Amino acid sequence: DAGVIQSPRHEVTEMGQEVTLRCKPISGHNSLFWYRQTMMRGLELLIYFNNNVPIDDSGMPEDRFSAKMPNASFSTLKIQPSEPRDSAVYFCASSGRDRVVAGVVDTQYFGPGTRLTVL
Amino acid sequence: GDSVTQMEGPVTLSEEAFLTINCTYTATGYPSLFWYVQYPGEGLQLLLKATKADDKGSNKGFEATYRKETTSFHLEKGSVQVSDSAVYFCALSSNTGNQFYFGTGTSLTVIP
Repeated sequence: DAGVIQSPRHEVTEMGQEVTLRCKPISGHNSLFWYRQTMMRGLELLIYFNNNVPIDDSGMPEDRFSAKMPNASFSTLKIQPSEPRDSAVYFCASSGRDRVVAGVVDTQYFGPGTRLTVL
Repeated sequence: GDSVTQMEGPVTLSEEAFLTINCTYTATGYPSLFWYVQYPGEGLQLLLKATKADDKGSNKGFEATYRKETTSFHLEKGSVQVSDSAVYFCALSSNTGNQFYFGTGTSLTVIP
């Protein structure tokens, strides 16, 4: 299995530009998570999807952030407009079972991350 | 609400020293507990997990035992290597809700 795939691995952009981060979860997994990691705030959950439906987006910092999951094999996290304080490593993770309905536990598998720098 | 608290770092050890990283949790119901490891420049990788009380997770010489009586899941390794230098995250998955909680991470540096 290829694992969780994220692109790009590195992104450098200027303040005000739109940034789109992409994630392909592990095939067969039906939950997907977006995290942000910074030195100051550590690892923060931004949003998670179950069966392509957003379940909890309470961690999304503000309206400049949006996430979509149009199908089971693809998700995007968009920042528009970007600001220097958005500079961080963004991780996507996926897990395998229906955590919403069944309430069961499953392991999250992380992608390698996208390092975003906003100048 | 559910939460995880792990010891703050950074931790610096000499090669072959004994490692303990403390993790305690607060949860309703019966959570599962995890340790993840993050090597420099990489994403988090599952190191080990335990899904019920008294379970012991183990991998790569690391161990952690799910202690319900002390609400703990301390990570241990008998003899660390330089290659173990990384950040270690304790995590909890609640089976009464839909949440996965991470600790703040503990940085470990092993010196030759």
